[in-house]
Amino acid sequence: DAGVTQSPTHLIKTRGQQVTLRCSPKSGHDTVSWYQQALGQGPQFIFQYYEEEERQRGNFPDRFSGHQFPNYSSELNVNALLLGDSALYLCASSLRVGAGNTIYFGEGSWLTVV
Amino acid sequence: DAKTTQPTSMDCAEGRAANLPCNHSTISGNEYVYWYRQIHSQGPQYIIHGLKNNETNEMASLIITEDRKSSTLILPHATLRDTAVYYCIEQHQGGKLIFGQGTELSVKP
Repeated sequence: DAGVTQSPTHLIKTRGQQVTLRCSPKSGHDTVSWYQQALGQGPQFIFQYYEEEERQRGNFPDRFSGHQFPNYSSELNVNALLLGDSALYLCASSLRVGAGNTIYFGEGSWLTVV
Repeated sequence: DAKTTQPTSMDCAEGRAANLPCNHSTISGNEYVYWYRQIHSQGPQYIIHGLKNNETNEMASLIITEDRKSSTLILPHATLRDTAVYYCIEQHQGGKLIFGQGTELSVKP
């Protein structure tokens, strides 16, 4: 049983470019959330997808957008990259939206903006 | 968003129980407490979660006070591989997790 898988594991982009990160949830899970973790900080919630719709959003600008596909996989897109977007981007999955579900994280995608 | 309060760092001797405290004085009645750990900036590893009752699984025990304002994660026999940052987290309505700074646990031989 594969857990949450993310790709790519590492990437380097130039300021102003756009990036797409991908996530496949744990088998049987239908809800995907994305988090940003800057060096030395705890993860910060970006947004959550369920039934192909954004259900919750954290305090992130519109440059951050996402998508969920019918097979429950998800993408995170960041436009007009800034140096401050350099971080570990984590995907988490669970079964259904709501409280009390076990939530599993992937190993993350390391993004460096130069 | 309210965050939990944890000690910045703790030490524990190998083989002893590690007791990690957490304050969540503003937690609402239907918000769960989750514990995760993270090693060398890998993805956070799920440990345990609970609402009001004490919980136990193969990794740890979670003790929640009756007023739900604090909890303690217990690793019964700490090993060197348990050295990590441990996060105590409130799960807010809709499922999002609000991380704080966590406790850096060092297990020493």
